[in-house]
Amino acid sequence: EADIYQTPRYLVIGTGKKITLECSQTMGHDKMYWYQQDPGMELHLIHYSYGVNSTEKGDLSSESTVSRIRTEHFPLTLESARPSHTSQYLCASQDNTEAFFGQGTRLTVV
Amino acid sequence: DQQVKQNSPSLSVQEGRISILNCDYTNSMFDYFLWYKKYPAEGPTFLISISSIKDKNEDGRFTVFLNKSAKHLSLHIVPSQPGDSAVYFCAAMDTDKLIFGTGTRLQVFP
Repeated sequence: EADIYQTPRYLVIGTGKKITLECSQTMGHDKMYWYQQDPGMELHLIHYSYGVNSTEKGDLSSESTVSRIRTEHFPLTLESARPSHTSQYLCASQDNTEAFFGQGTRLTVV
Repeated sequence: DQQVKQNSPSLSVQEGRISILNCDYTNSMFDYFLWYKKYPAEGPTFLISISSIKDKNEDGRFTVFLNKSAKHLSLHIVPSQPGDSAVYFCAAMDTDKLIFGTGTRLQVFP
């Protein structure tokens, strides 16, 4: 069973608010990822990290930012939420052969 | 330009029959492929993978076939069960990042 956790599971927030989506894993993986998925669409990579103090932007442009101060923790922050940020956000950590996903955060910006 | 394609957005199969989900890719350098299953409001869970040195990998009811010359892979589920109803994503490993297809929604009816 994968040990990767995301909080909150669901979040409804007003436009302009700052939010942080939490992601933690206990598997000791160096590689961690954030994906964004809209219904019926593929998972788009928005951020990734290969270890502490390493962060990179993914293929899909995103206004969010990430940090990796500890191996187990990879939070994603939106400084000013907008309705266009409404989506499902999925965090994953990866060993050499497989990505393990958290349960996701369904974000709705009203 | 989508590098991993799942051209069938949905598939409906009777319980007990075989489900065949297809996936095509464009980059011949991809050498490792994975299938994930996703329920609504949940993160994807790993099902099965295959390396390009093989053309088949089997795990219980799930078998993945790889045709490198056609850049095509397929997931077979036999026998299909109602609990298999979910969205199935094909993914290719590109260096350390997974590239996902758009998914196929499988519905298994009694």
